[in-house]
Amino acid sequence: DVKVTQSSRYLVKRTGEKVFLECVQDMDHENMFWYRQDPGLGLRLIYFSYDVKMKEKGDIPEGYSVSREKKERFSLILESASTNQTSMYLCASSPWNQPQHFGDGTRLSIL
Amino acid sequence: AQTVTQSQPEMSVQEAETVTLSCTYDTSESDYYLFWYKQPPSRQMILVIRQEAYKQQNATENRFSVNFQKAAKSFSLKISDSQLGDAAMYFCAYRTDLRGSNYKLTFGKGTLLTVNP
Repeated sequence: DVKVTQSSRYLVKRTGEKVFLECVQDMDHENMFWYRQDPGLGLRLIYFSYDVKMKEKGDIPEGYSVSREKKERFSLILESASTNQTSMYLCASSPWNQPQHFGDGTRLSIL
Repeated sequence: AQTVTQSQPEMSVQEAETVTLSCTYDTSESDYYLFWYKQPPSRQMILVIRQEAYKQQNATENRFSVNFQKAAKSFSLKISDSQLGDAAMYFCAYRTDLRGSNYKLTFGKGTLLTVNP
């Protein structure tokens, strides 16, 4: 079974902090994705990566950056956290042209 | 840009009955994939079923089946013999099949399904 592991289930941070969300997959997948999930809005793509050190902006990249130094790890970075970034964050991975597999999600609260 | 619309924010069904969740999408492409994902209260998103646009035959997975109407751009999910474990948020998703697209998904806003005992 594919395992996509997000480092925290719940996280509480303060406004202005730099926040790191980590995601690791164990199946050597090329593609990795970060989504944000909000009630009534569904999932929206923040960033994705199709190879080590490669990244592309999704639909809502503002206020976020990403890092992929190793194939199995994809990090989402909130450079200066704001209250409107309080949300559920989902990481996913997939091989080329195959369905995405999701992690359990991180519920992030910015106070 | 592609859009995916789920017009039913909430649905409910009696255990053992059948329920259909609606999804429509907008695209100018001819080759693409459609998916239904399930997100139970435990939160992990699970793939339920997928459909390749070039296939006329509707996909089925045990109690789950789809009604894919390409001309109408409609992709509904039918759950037969509903079980308590089917209670979840269901998301419809679209993915292009264009080369170099990197296969990102566009999701609908979800339908919350309640199963009544």
